[in-house]
Amino acid sequence: AQKVTQAQTEISVVEKEDVTLDCVYETRDTTYYLFWYKQPPSGELVFLIRRNSFDEQNEISGRYSWNFQKSTSSFNFTITASQVVDSAVYFCALSRTGNTPLVFGKGTRLSVIA
Amino acid sequence: GAGVSQTPSNKVTEKGKYVELRCDPISGHTALYWYRQSLGQGPEFLIYFQGTGAADDSGLPNDRFFAVRPEGSVSTLKIQRTERGDSAVYLCASSRTAQPTDTQYFGPGTRLTVL
Repeated sequence: AQKVTQAQTEISVVEKEDVTLDCVYETRDTTYYLFWYKQPPSGELVFLIRRNSFDEQNEISGRYSWNFQKSTSSFNFTITASQVVDSAVYFCALSRTGNTPLVFGKGTRLSVIA
Repeated sequence: GAGVSQTPSNKVTEKGKYVELRCDPISGHTALYWYRQSLGQGPEFLIYFQGTGAADDSGLPNDRFFAVRPEGSVSTLKIQRTERGDSAVYLCASSRTAQPTDTQYFGPGTRLTVL
C-alpha cells in the first residue's frame, strides 16, 4: 500500500523566514513519482513539482527547493524568504507507474505573517 | 487557455436525494480524475477515465457513486441516495495522457453539502 505522511498540520512563520515542509512516503514500488501541490485560499490545487524515484537530485526553482532522499523516504519542500502570498495548504503526493491516481498526504497549512 | 471547470460550484441537497456533478476537462486531455476532499484532509481518489472508459474505479466508496464520460470529454459524477457523510469538496483533474509524467490540472471543485 502507498501512504504519504505530512506530520506538520500547521506552521506559522514571519515573513522573510525560511520554512521547510516535511513529507515522508511509503511504497513497495521501485518506480514511483512524488509531487507537491499548493492549495491557496481560493481552493484550486496548483502543481508545483514532480520527481521520479530515479532522480534524487535536489531541485531549486526561485525561492522554492526540494530535497528528495530515498534513504529516508522523504521529499521535503523548503521556501526561502517566505512571503505572505505563500500562505496556503501544501500537499505532498505519490503515484506509481502505470497507476496514475495520486495518493495525497493530509497537507500542511502554512501561514506567513507580515 | 481554459482550465478545468466544474459545475455547480456549490450544491446543497437533502439526505436521500440524487445529485450530479459535472467536470469539463482541458481540451484535448484524455485522462480525467475525480477526487474527494473532506475538511482538513488531502484529496482522496475516486475514479479515473482514460478516454471514455473507467480505467480505475477502486476509490468509489460504494455503489451509490457512479461516473460517466460518454464522449471522452465532459464527465459526470452521480451520487444516489445521498448521505450526510457524502458532504465534501469533489475535485476533478485532467491530464494530457494517463502517464504520471503528465501533470494533473485541477478544477476549483464542487462543494457538496448534504443536510
